[in-house]
Amino acid sequence: IAGITQAPTSQILAAGRRMTLRCTQDMRHNAMYWYRQDLGLGLRLIHYSNTAGTTGKGEVPDGYSVSRANTDDFPLTLASAVPSQTSVYFCASSDSINTEAFFGQGTRLTVV
Amino acid sequence: GQNIDQPTEMTATEGAIVQINCTYQTSGFNGLFWYQQHAGEAPTFLSYNVLDGLEEKGRFSSFLSRSKGYSYLLLKELQMKDSASYLCAVLDSNYQLIWGAGTKLIIKP
Repeated sequence: IAGITQAPTSQILAAGRRMTLRCTQDMRHNAMYWYRQDLGLGLRLIHYSNTAGTTGKGEVPDGYSVSRANTDDFPLTLASAVPSQTSVYFCASSDSINTEAFFGQGTRLTVV
Repeated sequence: GQNIDQPTEMTATEGAIVQINCTYQTSGFNGLFWYQQHAGEAPTFLSYNVLDGLEEKGRFSSFLSRSKGYSYLLLKELQMKDSASYLCAVLDSNYQLIWGAGTKLIIKP
């Protein structure tokens, strides 16, 4: 089934640990995004990639890094997790920057 | 700063019509999206408006007025499965999506 897949679905992480959230899409979309969603707030963009080999910073990039080595994969790394990074993380992709985005099922991350 | 405003919560009755408003103040405008998000699930695309006017898609319609910085999502013949959050998002001049906090719609029998 075509789509976008995130792993893990949920994770409890000790503060200070390093963690990579995985995201893979098989729709050959050029653009990919990482968002975090917190209660009462809108989706906030962490990092994005308009095409393979390029990345950019979103609204809340501090403490996170990404890479886009190929079209399909867009991993998000927390170098040293802190409790304020407790959130639901969504990966999304779109064919171009002004077309509908398709979202993964989300990763619920708790940093303790 | 950039800002998207939506009501936090709305309640409507099954079979009725509801209008969810969205006002925005952004640096530039390259289109407005509406997404639906059921609790615990990912957002899914509903509509995209870039020109003024009404776009109809089945039971759902979306309206845009760029001069007023205003959009609404109209849901007709409400069904229980329409209980969800509805997210408004604007594509700004840098083609970054700015998201509202969402409107939680509660449908009562």
